[in-house]
Amino acid sequence: DAKTTQPNSMESNEEEPVHLPCNHSTISGTDYIHWYRQLPSQGPEYVIHGLTSNVNNRMASLAIAEDRKSSTLILHRATLRDAAVYYCILRVPNSGGSNYKLTFGKGTLLTVNP
Amino acid sequence: DSGVTQTPKHLITATGQRVTLRCSPRSGDLSVYWYQQSLDQGLQFLIQYYNGEERAKGNILERFSAQQFPDLHSELNLSSLELGDSALYFCASSVRINTEAFFGQGTRLTVV
Repeated sequence: DAKTTQPNSMESNEEEPVHLPCNHSTISGTDYIHWYRQLPSQGPEYVIHGLTSNVNNRMASLAIAEDRKSSTLILHRATLRDAAVYYCILRVPNSGGSNYKLTFGKGTLLTVNP
Repeated sequence: DSGVTQTPKHLITATGQRVTLRCSPRSGDLSVYWYQQSLDQGLQFLIQYYNGEERAKGNILERFSAQQFPDLHSELNLSSLELGDSALYFCASSVRINTEAFFGQGTRLTVV
């Protein structure tokens, strides 16, 4: 399986931007980059995904390197409610494209200081 | 609210027993996933169904089984329960197999 590497933890201050990095050097051309987060005592929550181009939605932005070997999730203004574990996942098709795995790693624990 | 409903929210049972966890996916979602999350293992993928058919299997024990019914709801059956099966069990659903998944709030299983 294509793997991702994330820092175990990061800290940020409230109302400041946060850049969460993810390395995926073995990514292949058909792998989508997905980000999920898990708030304490809740199920994982979809944040954003992309393939090649940078993506924006109401929650965050996803910046994808030109070679696609890394990506960065950007929270533009962190709030206390953004404190969570953030997972960077490669959504990889099986041979034949009939299925796509969604495999979680350990993620990055983001702490937001008031 | 993700639109995925899991019942029950909490379950306490004894070793050796059997339990059934239920998941109702978001309206229109054809794919259902089950995950187990324990403190030391993180989120472990168990199994995935798409429109009633099993599509992928992860680290699912032989004592565990699942199915997706014609109305698209899914059940995860856990039998001969052991203390180590105590965990949060999450269900997720997606429209298709390659789109974003939406997770329920989980069922917390405690085996005593």
